[in-house]
Amino acid sequence: EDQVTQSPEALRLQEGESSSLNCSYTVSGLRGLFWYRQDPGKGPEFLFTLYSAGEEKEKERLKATLTKKESFLHITAPKPEDSATYLCAVSGGYQKVTFGTGTKLQVIP
Amino acid sequence: EAGVTQFPSHSVIEKGQTVTLRCDPISGHDNLYWYRRVMGKEIKFLLHFVKESKQDESGMPNNRFLAERTGGTYSTLKVQPAELEDSGVYFCASSLWGYNEQFFGPGTRLTVL
Repeated sequence: EDQVTQSPEALRLQEGESSSLNCSYTVSGLRGLFWYRQDPGKGPEFLFTLYSAGEEKEKERLKATLTKKESFLHITAPKPEDSATYLCAVSGGYQKVTFGTGTKLQVIP
Repeated sequence: EAGVTQFPSHSVIEKGQTVTLRCDPISGHDNLYWYRRVMGKEIKFLLHFVKESKQDESGMPNNRFLAERTGGTYSTLKVQPAELEDSGVYFCASSLWGYNEQFFGPGTRLTVL
């Protein structure tokens, strides 16, 4: 069974203080690893898809990286508007998507 | 372009009643998915439609849940009869290609009393 573990559960940063979120996974035949952002009361918002180890993708202050066992979401010089829950998910050999429980990020001005 | 819409946004029902949730995907998206988040837990896959066909329904918890997708457009998820453990937020998502880049709706919060 596919599994996704995210850490830390919660992270509090000062504005401008860079950090990384971790997503460890076990999956049978990785088809894709996804990062989503979720704001309170809303559905997840797609950020990135990574397909193979060594791949990296960037969007504004966010950069996602992938190894064979984990993915990192690096946040550079975060702003208060980056506050949200960040979700990691994988799609494996059976194709259905398995989500982690998320990291709740709070960026303080 | 309109995003994924879900109706209702909230539903409060009593145990034993029936509830139907609706999802309208992004126009042109053949792939439609239903997920559920129970309080404190992760988002869990329920099922996947490709057009009007069920591609994967391995996540459906039991036969009290029935999903349909009429003509490959909107989808409904019916819970009959509802139990207390069915409470949670039900998300719908759609995509152009397989499981990639899914666009989620705002969710329906279901409370069973």
